[in-house]
Amino acid sequence: SQQGEEDPQALSIQEGENATMNCSYKTSINNLQWYRQNSGRGLVHLILIRSNEREKHSGRLRVTLDTSKKSSSLLITASRAADTASYFCATMGWDTGNQFYFGTGTSLTVIP
Amino acid sequence: NAGVTQTPKFQVLKTGQSMTLQCAQDMNHNSMYWYRQDPGMGLRLIYYSASEGTTDKGEVPNGYNVSRLNKREFSLRLESAAPSQTSVYFCASSERQAVEKLFFGSGTQLSVL
Repeated sequence: SQQGEEDPQALSIQEGENATMNCSYKTSINNLQWYRQNSGRGLVHLILIRSNEREKHSGRLRVTLDTSKKSSSLLITASRAADTASYFCATMGWDTGNQFYFGTGTSLTVIP
Repeated sequence: NAGVTQTPKFQVLKTGQSMTLQCAQDMNHNSMYWYRQDPGMGLRLIYYSASEGTTDKGEVPNGYNVSRLNKREFSLRLESAAPSQTSVYFCASSERQAVEKLFFGSGTQLSVL
């Protein structure tokens, strides 16, 4: 399988704390994206980082990419109960036929 | 602003029955995709259509067929459903293949008994 893997599989934190989840992948990539999925809903795009970028910010989200280690991390600062969801990384590259391959997801619970 | 619309939302089939999942997008996107989501497996690509008139296999195409009816619509057909096809199916679209972010529908939960 060309899927990535997120770590941890599940994460539970108190509101206001920071949440960090990691993604490891197997092939060379052009870009890596993070998506959020609320229970029973489709995935929603959060942020995209290209292979020549090392860090990107969007609001309370910070994404890092280390292509030498084939890994990425998503940091959500000052978490809110509304951040409770599953988070998936998706990679795309020439080695994957220019298709997106999704990781297995991290389930985040933010306790009010 | 509907985005990506999938029908039906829920479906129960008996083994061997056939059905078609419908997907339509109103964003004038060129590329459309079908994924399945299983517990612990993440999303896996079944088929995709890079542009109107083209379709290609993804990671898990066996047991499925697709039709890109026009630029807006991309359907997924199960000719003879099997219990292994019990899953949640998501349609997605993007402005272009391989670069842009994906926009997802709300999913179809399919159970094959």
